[in-house]
Amino acid sequence: DAKTTQPTSMDCAEGRAANLPCNHSTISGNEYVYWYRQIHSQGPQYIIHGLKNNETNEMASLIITEDRKSSTLILPHATLRDTAVYYCIVRVAGNSDYKLSFGAGTTVTVRA
Amino acid sequence: GAGVSQTPSNKVTEKGKYVELRCDPISGHTALYWYRQSLGQGPEFLIYFQGTGAADDSGLPNDRFFAVRPEGSVSTLKIQRTERGDSAVYLCASSPGTENTEAFFGQGTRLTVV
Repeated sequence: DAKTTQPTSMDCAEGRAANLPCNHSTISGNEYVYWYRQIHSQGPQYIIHGLKNNETNEMASLIITEDRKSSTLILPHATLRDTAVYYCIVRVAGNSDYKLSFGAGTTVTVRA
Repeated sequence: GAGVSQTPSNKVTEKGKYVELRCDPISGHTALYWYRQSLGQGPEFLIYFQGTGAADDSGLPNDRFFAVRPEGSVSTLKIQRTERGDSAVYLCASSPGTENTEAFFGQGTRLTVV
């Protein structure tokens, strides 16, 4: 799987949008971008994933650049409960490879 | 329960002892994964089951580590002759096993080898 690069940490204000960047410049055409987060002392939680189109669900939006070399996870109205480590993961599509290659992620702290 | 259940939540063992960590996946999920997470790092893949068989065990660090899933549901991760370096949180996840679905993680078992 392609490697990803994320900032080590970022702060954001409660109630504001949080924009989390991720670079994946070596991504292949059959690789998806997945985002997971891990709140302290819990297991990772799936947020969203996409191939090339922008995606939105009840938790977040995923914006993927046209060349697919980078993406941004957007938490539209950050709350204190969104404080967590956020992982951007690139993974090959299909049944043959399900393992997730977590990096160090971005530690996001939402401040009141 | 509706989620992935791992027991025990905490385990303290002496160096050299044998331990078993249990994972109850979400009912009906055919895929099951084990990960290990050391302090300050992201989870690292250990092994992946599709049904009863280990489809990929490339992440197991050495032959002291072994995992089974005899009936395609509950899985047990077994560690022989534990070492202090085995101390970590062991995470289990399951998924429906179809293409591009999300993985659901348990809360993990914190293993401390003293």
